[in-house]
Amino acid sequence: TQLLEQSPQFLSIQEGENLTVYCNSSSVFSSLQWYRQEPGEGPVLLVTVVTGGEVKKLKRLTFQFGDARKDSSLHITAAQPGDTGLYLCAGPPSGTYKYIFGTGTRLKVLA
Amino acid sequence: DARVTQTPRHKVTEMGQEVTMRCQPILGHNTVFWYRQTMMQGLELLAYFRNRAPLDDSGMPKDRFSAEMPDATLATLKIQPSEPRDSAVYFCASGSGTPWASGRETQYFGPGTRLLVL
Repeated sequence: TQLLEQSPQFLSIQEGENLTVYCNSSSVFSSLQWYRQEPGEGPVLLVTVVTGGEVKKLKRLTFQFGDARKDSSLHITAAQPGDTGLYLCAGPPSGTYKYIFGTGTRLKVLA
Repeated sequence: DARVTQTPRHKVTEMGQEVTMRCQPILGHNTVFWYRQTMMQGLELLAYFRNRAPLDDSGMPKDRFSAEMPDATLATLKIQPSEPRDSAVYFCASGSGTPWASGRETQYFGPGTRLLVL
């Protein structure tokens, strides 16, 4: 079974702290996407990383795709309460077209 | 501001009843996805349509679930008969542009239908 394991599962931090969320698999992925989902809503795409080793920045968020395209990380600098939500990684394993979503990281940033 | 709409937003029904969920994709989008989200299993792909044709429904229990696109503005997901284990949030997403196989497709999710089967 091709899985995307995310860690940590839950994270509660104070405003201003930094954090990193990990997305790992034993399979190679064509690309990986990161989504944020807020309660009562659907996931919203944050970024897509395609090339092994690729780094993308979105304001205070930094996304990295592993060199072997089996893992990815999301780093948030100076977290704010507005960053609270469920973070999901997703993508199609290489050679397939079927999207797999990660297990999710539930982040809570306290003011 | 174009959005995917889903109806109903909430549905409570009894085991054995038929449930129909509807989705209106963003105008101009040619791909539609149905997902199911539960605490235990997370977000799972149920079905995928491109240009109204079903390309993949391998994630869907065939005996009780069916998905259709009667026209470009409507996608439906039907459960008959429903069971308590079907309780979940069902999301519809639409997209366009690069082929889904590339993994670069941007999917725009609707707000979901929260289903509870008693």
